[in-house]
Amino acid sequence: QKEVEQDPGPLSVPEGAIVSLNCTYSNSAFQYFMWYRQYSRKGPELLMYTYSSGNKEDGRFTAQVDKSSKYISLFIRDSQPSDSATYLCAILDAGTYKYIFGTGTRLKVLA
Amino acid sequence: SQTIHQWPATLVQPVGSPLSLECTVEGTSNPNLYWYRQAAGRGLQLLFYSIGIDQISSEVPQNLSASRPQDRQFILSSKKLLLSDSGFYLCAWSTPGTGYQPQHFGDGTRLSIL
Repeated sequence: QKEVEQDPGPLSVPEGAIVSLNCTYSNSAFQYFMWYRQYSRKGPELLMYTYSSGNKEDGRFTAQVDKSSKYISLFIRDSQPSDSATYLCAILDAGTYKYIFGTGTRLKVLA
Repeated sequence: SQTIHQWPATLVQPVGSPLSLECTVEGTSNPNLYWYRQAAGRGLQLLFYSIGIDQISSEVPQNLSASRPQDRQFILSSKKLLLSDSGFYLCAWSTPGTGYQPQHFGDGTRLSIL
């Protein structure tokens, strides 16, 4: 079983839709979770990070962690064509300083 | 504020040639440094990481090596490139010490081996 699993997509939605991106993880000891956005031919850009469980909101983006289900989500409200990118979830293994990434979900927002 | 510089942005090299990719972080001291390779549709593969100037850990046996000649400089090298070394190489850093900190990436080097 992979440590982090993420549906590769692609996911196509109309402009203005609410987008839900998800990852599952296997190690219940993980506590620090991140979401990155990556445009084609660019490095991943940090969007949000959360510690432990709960929600965190930043503008149109909400990150949610459900530790009981080992499930993390990123919600994008009022999606825009400029949100079209690959979204990567990541988890910090604090014991080793290593970051474990999902394979990324490709999102396309249609105008 | 902290910034990370990675160069070159694009590189085309023949099989068997050497390689040197550079990464420099500004605005922080003693960062944790990382090299990844990203293949299409396969996510990020951790190649090397360094949590101190004298500590470099290798994740995947291969013909690549990493060095940290200065506190904020991380170099990825190869003596003889293989076709399988083609890919998108990313350098990243995080704040040193214990605690939970996110990771920040450079803009990557796209390496094509002919």
